[in-house]
Amino acid sequence: EPEVTQTPSHQVTQMGQEVILRCVPISNHLYFYWYRQILGQKVEFLVSFYNNEISEKSEIFDDQFSVERPDGSNFTLKIRSTKLEDSAMYFCASSGQGGGNTEAFFGQGTRLTVV
Amino acid sequence: KNEVEQSPQNLTAQEGEFITINCSYSVGISALHWLQQHPGGGIVSLFMLSSGKKKHGRLIATINIQEKHSSLHITASHPRDSAVYICAVFPNSGGGADGLTFGKGTHLIIQP
Repeated sequence: EPEVTQTPSHQVTQMGQEVILRCVPISNHLYFYWYRQILGQKVEFLVSFYNNEISEKSEIFDDQFSVERPDGSNFTLKIRSTKLEDSAMYFCASSGQGGGNTEAFFGQGTRLTVV
Repeated sequence: KNEVEQSPQNLTAQEGEFITINCSYSVGISALHWLQQHPGGGIVSLFMLSSGKKKHGRLIATINIQEKHSSLHITASHPRDSAVYICAVFPNSGGGADGLTFGKGTHLIIQP
């Protein structure tokens, strides 16, 4: 069964460092998403990506964040200068169509800990 | 602003009981998703609904678009059903690639 894979599963980084979270979406999917979940809180939308550009982003997705699809298979989330409050589980998701009328497939998540 | 409310927040039941989890949302949507999150954190999609009812094994999901309400039912519950169940919606904002808006989840524990 096709699946979304994320690496690493857990990353510890020092405050102020740059981190790159990696995702391999399902191969024939066209819409890609990053979500985050701070411990004990609900999952929040960060950004959606389609046709090699950002389609939509939330207030959380400020200038410290960027996304890229560097090689047609990977989909990355970069945080330029991490803050303690960036500690969260980050989920990548992909779907074959936009608009929500299709199943979203989620990765297992990357737990980011900023110390 | 789109709000997604789930009830109950926590539910403990005995094995075999019929479980109902409710979800209400405040804006027009193109679809509603029910997701399952296990203690390890991974999220699995259970259902995507835009109308009516869907059934998969012991799980049933219904949606009433006019009332902006959905329910997830589990029949003959089992301890392996213990997880957080999350309702999430795609708003009808016309963007086509908007992200999901999530509820806080319902933490379900099924005791043997």
